[in-house]
Parts: sequence; structure tokens; C-alpha cells
Amino acid sequence: AQKVTQAQTEISVVEKEDVTLDCVYETRDTTYYLFWYKQPPSGELVFLIRRNSFDEQNEISGRYSWNFQKSTSSFNFTITASQVVDSAVYFCALSEANYGQNFVFGPGTRLSVLP
Amino acid sequence: DTGVSQDPRHKITKRGQNVTFRCDPISEHNRLYWYRQTLGQGPEFLTYFQNEAQLEKSRLLSDRFSAERPKGSFSTLEIQRTEQGDSAMYLCASSPSDEKLFFGSGTQLSVL
Repeated sequence: AQKVTQAQTEISVVEKEDVTLDCVYETRDTTYYLFWYKQPPSGELVFLIRRNSFDEQNEISGRYSWNFQKSTSSFNFTITASQVVDSAVYFCALSEANYGQNFVFGPGTRLSVLP
Repeated sequence: DTGVSQDPRHKITKRGQNVTFRCDPISEHNRLYWYRQTLGQGPEFLTYFQNEAQLEKSRLLSDRFSAERPKGSFSTLEIQRTEQGDSAMYLCASSPSDEKLFFGSGTQLSVL
């Protein structure tokens, strides 16, 4: 069955520090998609990235980078030089291509970036 | 394109009352999802529509819950005989495919 684990419940860092948010997933499918979403205090979930299971290349977008490793079923998210505006709850999510259409979300990691 | 719209933003009701929420997806998105989120948790899948067809329902969706998407456009989620355990944020999302979900701001339900 699908499952997403985010072991870090809360993380606090000081501005300009780098921080990595961990995500481990379980799936029975060979084709699946992984996502990261950000939920700022305003509450609306904001899409950050989508990766498919066949593309293990790491990705960088500005201060954000993602490390996808199928061997360890992990899809970790790193914020470089964190800023106060990065404070939010971050969710990792999984969608299987062949076993239903729902997206399964992890419990989230609350990131607080202190000035 | 105004994004996914949900109404109302907040709903306070007494236990035992019925409530209905509305979601207007991004136009031309054929997929529509309902999720429930409680404090400190990630969104939990409730149900999914492709056009007007309800293709999947979670076990979380008891018989007190019903969702519709007439004509494949907006959707409604009704909860009958509300219970205090129904208090949560109800999120709607739409998608043009399985690529990514676009979420609305949610409806916060408080059952007293």
C-alpha cells in the first residue's frame, strides 16, 4: 500500500542556514510520482515539484533542491540559505499510476526559520 | 484563471446538523479531489472525480458523507448529521491530469 513518512515533525533553523527535509515512501507500483507541497500560514497548499519514478536526476530550482533515491525510497528536499519566508509546513506526497488515482500525503514537517 | 475556489471559508455548525461545501475547480480540469486535513496532519484523501464520475472513495468517507459533481464542473460535499469528529479543514483540488494538484483555500468546519 502507499505510505509516505516524514520523520521530522518540526525543525527550527536560523536564517541563512541550510536545511534538509526527509521523505521516505512505500509503494507497490513501478510507476509513481512524488511531490512536495508547501503550506504557509495562510493555509493554501502550494505545489513545489513533481518527479516520476523513472527520473532519478536531482533537481535544483533556485535555493531549492531535491534528491531522489529509489534505492532507499527517499525523496529529500533541501533549502539552501533559508529565509524567514520559508517558514511553513512542507508535505511530501505520492501518487501511484496503476493503483488508484489518489495522492497520499505524509504528515508534514513544520519548518521555522528564525531571523 | 482564478484558481480553485471553495465556499464557504468557514462553517460553524451544531452537532447533528447537515452541512454542504462547494468547490469550483479550475476550468477545464477534468479531475477533482476532496481531502480532509486535521490539525498537525497531512491531507487525507476522501474522494476523486473524473469529469462527473466519482471513481474512488476512501474508507474515511462514511455513509454520512456524499459528494457530487454534476456536469463535471463544480462539486459539492455534504456531511449529514455532523459529529464533533468531523471538525477539520476540507480541501478541494483539481488537476488536468495526474501531474499535480491545484488546491483551494479550504473550508474550515467546526462542529460544536
